[in-house]
Amino acid sequence: QSALTQPRSVSGSPGQSVTISCTGTSSDIGAYNYVSWYQQHPGKGPKIMIYDVSKRPSGVPDRFSGSKSGNTASLTISGLHTEDEADYYCCSYVGNYLLSFGGGTKLTVL
Amino acid sequence: EVQLVESGGGLVQPGGSLRLSCTASGFTFSSYWMHWVRQAPGKGLVWVSRITTDGKSTSHADSVKGRFIMSRDNSKNTLYLQMNSLRAEDTAVYYCAKGGSTMADFWGQGTLVIVSS
Repeated sequence: QSALTQPRSVSGSPGQSVTISCTGTSSDIGAYNYVSWYQQHPGKGPKIMIYDVSKRPSGVPDRFSGSKSGNTASLTISGLHTEDEADYYCCSYVGNYLLSFGGGTKLTVL
Repeated sequence: EVQLVESGGGLVQPGGSLRLSCTASGFTFSSYWMHWVRQAPGKGLVWVSRITTDGKSTSHADSVKGRFIMSRDNSKNTLYLQMNSLRAEDTAVYYCAKGGSTMADFWGQGTLVIVSS
């Protein structure tokens, strides 16, 4: 169960857009449309932002969107807010009822 | 309001055992798969285990297979993680989360486990 690959950090200014990538393989991201994204502020439990590649749970702003191409999934945050500064983790179903997370990306809002 | 409250963490010696609990409220506990996910200090999230709604089927990450046992008591709205043969690398905050087979849609605040002599 190898971890998915994310950039260690990304940054953007308020109002800008940023995209966080999550690269897997043909056995995880490429095989299933079950990618989810989680936001984690320091000292807090994670919060789901996207599931099933591009679906937003109730209450998540539509500034957050997800997509997938081949073995890579992406989370895009449009119109950055200061409160978006957090760690973001991707997660993929990998078969046999197992899940795998990415290493996490620290988003800095400058 | 959905709530998940983990408990049972603490300091344990290498080779020792610990049982974590997660008490659920605000939703129909018996209708959801549940997960345990851990996070070592300063590190990322790592999926540990999951259990089906009726508790009859579990899956575990290779790193804990044969050492950790996940169970649930739907009559008490409580999830458990029995951790045996603990190692230093098991040191982490352990989160319980509700969800399905492909994602976890609500998480608790976590409980810290420290394995050290």
